Amino acid sequence: AQKITQTQPGMFVQEKEAVTLDCTYDTSDQSYGLFWYKQPSSGEMIFLIYQGSYDEQNATEGRYSLNFQKARKSANLVISASQLGDSAMYFCAMREVNGRGSTLGRLYFGRGTQLTVWP
Amino acid sequence: EAQVTQNPRYLITVTGKKLTVTCSQNMNHEYMSWYRQDPGLGLRQIYYSMNVEVTDKGDVPEGYKVSRKEKRNFPLILESPSPNQTSLYFCASSLKGAKAKNIQYFGAGTRLSVL
Repeated sequence: AQKITQTQPGMFVQEKEAVTLDCTYDTSDQSYGLFWYKQPSSGEMIFLIYQGSYDEQNATEGRYSLNFQKARKSANLVISASQLGDSAMYFCAMREVNGRGSTLGRLYFGRGTQLTVWP
Repeated sequence: EAQVTQNPRYLITVTGKKLTVTCSQNMNHEYMSWYRQDPGLGLRQIYYSMNVEVTDKGDVPEGYKVSRKEKRNFPLILESPSPNQTSLYFCASSLKGAKAKNIQYFGAGTRLSVL
């Protein structure tokens, strides 16, 4: 079974509007971390935002916020006031902290959502 | 500057010609990993290393080798590359400890074409 599911292969948003990129995850662990990375057309992977499973508040980093709904196992990324430079592939990822050495530290990635911001 | 450095950035080779992609990090991270990225499949883990001399297979290890003789370096070796290994490769590193927020930092990527 997929650990991370991103159901939107592509999303379009107009500049200055907000957009939500969906991510659901699958884990039986109580302790885990959720990450979002941005990959522009140049190819590098840029860390955007992190949410811990025990964090009571939704994470925010500038224009990025993470809508964390633990019971639904969803960790959607919200980008407010979209800019043309936000056009990129976005990946959701999860790290489990289950103490089993062979998987400790491992990041599981979704297949990504291609976001296009138009003027 | 804290970074993960991969070399080369671009490589075109022929089937069967051994190659090595180097990866080095200057953040004293214990954990290092290699991923390949293919269209529609996201990032898949090839190999990872929890520390020096400790390596293990990820999801797609066939056709690849790694070694971790020093903490900072984690080279990826393709002994006999084949066209199905044409891909974009990423090296990443993070702290190892049992904290969910051990952010993985990525290298700039190596675009490999095997003819």
